[in-house]
Amino acid sequence: AQSVAQPEDQVKVAEGNPLTVKCTYSVSGNPYLFWYVQYPNRGLQFLLKYITGDNLVKGSYGFEAEFNKSQTSFHLKKPSALVSDSALYFCAVRPNLMDTGRRALTFGSGTRLQVQP
Amino acid sequence: DARVTQTPRHKVTEMGQEVTMRCQPILGHNTVFWYRQTMMQGLELLAYFRNRAPLDDSGMPKDRFSAEMPDATLATLKIQPSEPRDSAVYFCASGLVYTDSNQPQHFGDGTRLSIL
Repeated sequence: AQSVAQPEDQVKVAEGNPLTVKCTYSVSGNPYLFWYVQYPNRGLQFLLKYITGDNLVKGSYGFEAEFNKSQTSFHLKKPSALVSDSALYFCAVRPNLMDTGRRALTFGSGTRLQVQP
Repeated sequence: DARVTQTPRHKVTEMGQEVTMRCQPILGHNTVFWYRQTMMQGLELLAYFRNRAPLDDSGMPKDRFSAEMPDATLATLKIQPSEPRDSAVYFCASGLVYTDSNQPQHFGDGTRLSIL
């Protein structure tokens, strides 16, 4: 079975400081990993994904994520946080579809990012 | 930009009533997902369809919930009879999913359901 853990319910950072939102995963075989962001009263929006290749993935709005296979982690990062980055962030995993198992995404519980002016 | 459209955006009704939520997926997407979001349970997958055929509805209470895709432009999620514990935000998402596909899902803005 596949699973995702986001160990922090909330992350607070000051504007201009770097931010990290943590994610670890468990999946059979090679994972497809995703980050989504949710603003109030909106659906989830895709930020970035890791499929294969370079462990550092760049996405929308200046976000990036680092895939670490040995630690089974996929942490979301941004060098300089903006107040407008305040939102709910979800990590998600799906196994490589050549493997057996569930083909839908499994989402983490979400981390609320609060960027303080 | 193409978007997933969900109607209604808000629904308030009394327990025991039938509720129907609708979703128009992005044209050309072959897979449609229904999720439910609550504070307590987070984001839960209820069901999903590939090429209009149901693939997995194991997350859905089958005694009261039903999901269908009458055609490629419409997916529906029905609750009958509704109960207060069904109060949540229901999201529809669509995507292109094949064996080796890694395309992201696109989410609608949800239906906020309140059962009194």
